[in-house]
Amino acid sequence: SQKIEQNSEALNIQEGKTATLTCNYTNYSPAYLQWYRQDPGRGPVFLLLIRENEKEKRKERLKVTFDTTLKQSLFHITASQPADSATYLCALVRRDNNDMRFGAGTRLTVKP
Amino acid sequence: DGGITQSPKYLFRKEGQNVTLSCEQNLNHDAMYWYRQDPGQGLRLIYYSQIVNDFQKGDIAEGYSVSREKKESFPLTVTSAQKNPTAFYLCASSMSSELAVGYTFGSGTRLTVV
Repeated sequence: SQKIEQNSEALNIQEGKTATLTCNYTNYSPAYLQWYRQDPGRGPVFLLLIRENEKEKRKERLKVTFDTTLKQSLFHITASQPADSATYLCALVRRDNNDMRFGAGTRLTVKP
Repeated sequence: DGGITQSPKYLFRKEGQNVTLSCEQNLNHDAMYWYRQDPGQGLRLIYYSQIVNDFQKGDIAEGYSVSREKKESFPLTVTSAQKNPTAFYLCASSMSSELAVGYTFGSGTRLTVV
């Protein structure tokens, strides 16, 4: 069966460090992979999209990698700040039908 | 400002009642979606619509119904047939179903059965 797994339910790091979140998938052939940020009681906000033929994407302090051999995406936040505390969701878009599926998310807490 | 508006923010339903959640967008997006979010689970797709007057079932459509009479609006009705409706409901839209761009989400409606 198809699965999307995000490495852990919660991740705590110290301010200034780099946060690394993992998204693993099985039995998928994704055309795209997207990352979203969700604050409590709010809808997710789109952050970055990476295509299957791209290895890395950057946006300000954010970096996403996509390894289709390992079936894994890594999401990095450098120089983390308490304001980065939120739940981060990965989502995969299938190549054959544009179907999009979300992982359960990782709750990141950045401590001052 | 363009965006998606979901209302109400909180909704309480009695057993056996149907309730309707509103979703309106002014982004001129073609595609609209309804998701359900439960603690510890990913968003699950209920229904989606790529054009007016057309919609398709998602993974968990049983107990729900939708309509798409206008491009801007995609209301979701939670019927009495939905046995476990307590959840956070999210509406989203995108420019097209190609999904090469991200979705825009509303702020959600939290539905509780009382």
